[in-house]
Order: sequence, then C-alpha cells, then structure tokens
Amino acid sequence: SQELEQSPQSLIVQEGKNLTINCTSSKTLYGLYWYKQKYGEGLIFLMMLQKGGEEKSHEKITAKLDEKKQQSSLHITASQPSHAGIYLCGASTGGGADGLTFGKGTHLIIQP
Amino acid sequence: GAVVSQHPSRVICKSGTSVKIECRSLDFQATTMFWYRQFPKQSLMLMATSNEGSKATYEQGVEKDKFLINHASLTLSTLTVTSAHPEDSSFYICSANQGQGQETQYFGPGTRLLVL
Repeated sequence: SQELEQSPQSLIVQEGKNLTINCTSSKTLYGLYWYKQKYGEGLIFLMMLQKGGEEKSHEKITAKLDEKKQQSSLHITASQPSHAGIYLCGASTGGGADGLTFGKGTHLIIQP
Repeated sequence: GAVVSQHPSRVICKSGTSVKIECRSLDFQATTMFWYRQFPKQSLMLMATSNEGSKATYEQGVEKDKFLINHASLTLSTLTVTSAHPEDSSFYICSANQGQGQETQYFGPGTRLLVL
C-alpha cells in the first residue's frame, strides 16, 4: 500500500524565516497534493503536482516534485503567523477517481 | 476553488443511535466523493469512495454495514454511522472532485462526532 512519510513532524519557526517541509513516498506517485489544516477544521487546498520535476508557487509557498515522482517539498518564504497550521501531503497512485493517502502531517508554529 | 459543505458540523449522540452526515458540492457536480476519518492528532484515513448512482467502495477494515453511504445525486453524498459506539467518535471529512480531468480534491469543513 501507498505510504507517505512527512518530515519534520513539528516545526517552530521565527516569523520572517524560511522553512521546508518534506514528503516522501514509497511508490511512484500519480499526483501529489499539499493541503493546510487548522486543528478540527477542513483542509485547504494549496497545490497539486503531477509531473516529475514540476514546481508551483502561490504567494510565498512553493512546492516541488522530484523527477522520480517520489519526493516533494513545500517551501515557505518569509513566514507569517497566517502560515501556522498543519500541513498535509496527500498522494494518489491512480487518477482522479482515487481517494488520497495522507502523510501524518507537519505541525507548523510561527513565533512572533 | 470549488466549495464543499458538510452538515452537521458537530453532533453528539447516545451509544446505539444512528447519525447521518451530509456532504454537498455547492458549485459543481461531483460524480465521485470520498469519506475520510481523522482521529485526534492523526492523519486522514480514507474510508470509502462514494459513486453517484452505484454502490460505494470501502477501504479494507471499514465495515460497510456500519458506515452506510448513499450518493443519490451529483451534489450530495451521505454517510450514516449506524449503531454508533464511543469508538466511532472522530472527525469525519468528505471530499469531492469536479471530474472531467479536474483532479483536485476539495474538502468539506468536517463533522465532529462524539458518541456518549
């Protein structure tokens, strides 16, 4: 079965600093999704990557998928308090008709 | 992005009763919806795939007779937790994609179930 390892499990970063969260798959991915969740709430879609070597950016968040499509990173530049939350990577090994397998999440805390 | 709603947001029930949770796609039609469960401080686990007009597909270890799924229209899927027990207390989240090559899954806000 598909397994996703996220690291680190938790991260405390001073406001204004950069940070990176990693997600590694045991299998080649069809699609890799990044979501943000506040505890007890739904998931906010951030980005989806499908092609090896793909990179996408939105505001201060950049996500990359490696050429082998087994590893992804999420990079936040100049972190702000609004970036605090739980970041989840999710993956599908098939098409859009498949449910996602999720990593355990990275809990990000931004210190003012 | 597309909007998915869930109702209720929170529910408390007595052990042995049944609880229905609704998942609606508000501004698009979803032929496929997914139900996930999240226990405290854990990640989301896929429970089942809900297909409009056909039977749901359940993940291994999920009892189909306990978690009844109905996807009666292109905008509504329901999950009924039958004869709920305290161990069913969890955060239930649904997602939907727009289909037709749009593969992003949009998630609802979740339903917190507490079984006493």
